[in-house]
Amino acid sequence: SAVISQKPSRDICQRGTSLTIQCQVDSQVTMMFWYRQQPGQSLTLIATANQGSEATYESGFVIDKFPISRPNLTFSTLTVSNMSPEDSSIYLCSATSGGALEQFFGPGTRLTVL
Amino acid sequence: QKEVEQNSGPLSVPEGAIASLNCTYSDRGSQSFFWYRQYSGKSPELIMFIYSNGDKEDGRFTAQLNKASQYVSLLIRDSQPSDSATYLCAVNAGGTSYGKLTFGQGTILTVHP
Repeated sequence: SAVISQKPSRDICQRGTSLTIQCQVDSQVTMMFWYRQQPGQSLTLIATANQGSEATYESGFVIDKFPISRPNLTFSTLTVSNMSPEDSSIYLCSATSGGALEQFFGPGTRLTVL
Repeated sequence: QKEVEQNSGPLSVPEGAIASLNCTYSDRGSQSFFWYRQYSGKSPELIMFIYSNGDKEDGRFTAQLNKASQYVSLLIRDSQPSDSATYLCAVNAGGTSYGKLTFGQGTILTVHP
């Protein structure tokens, strides 16, 4: 399975600022995704990070709030823009490889917005 | 609306017993089903997946799928205290939603010595 790393692992940010989270995979992968896990909740898909093109967002998530880049097959970034305390969550990157069904997750980024 | 439902628990079983975790889903077209384990403060860890009706075994874990009943379960045999975690059921609809997972709320499992 691919090994996924994320930076930063955690951060505390002020309201109104933005944070960019990086996701790095140790091998080329087919699909990359970004999920959010709010406190005490399960995971919710934010978007699919498409290589070389605009991300595909799920209902309730918009590009202006969560811009995503994926410049190559091993790297993606998620920016949380104009943050409010409601954005305090764990943000997780995941990936699938080839035609495999298995989807593996990075360690997550724990974000606290004051 | 696509939904995945799990009993939030907590489910408490004694060490050595069989733990049974259940999940139902609303989208009849769903194609693949996943069980993840999540320890507190950690990211989800894939246990196994299943896409055909019937049982799939991997060590102490058995996944069971019944598409007609829209039901998937996970059995953990010889439960150990280290199995204590939140178990997440996830469903993929396939087609244009290939790869996208919809998660249930998770079941908290406690295995007591």
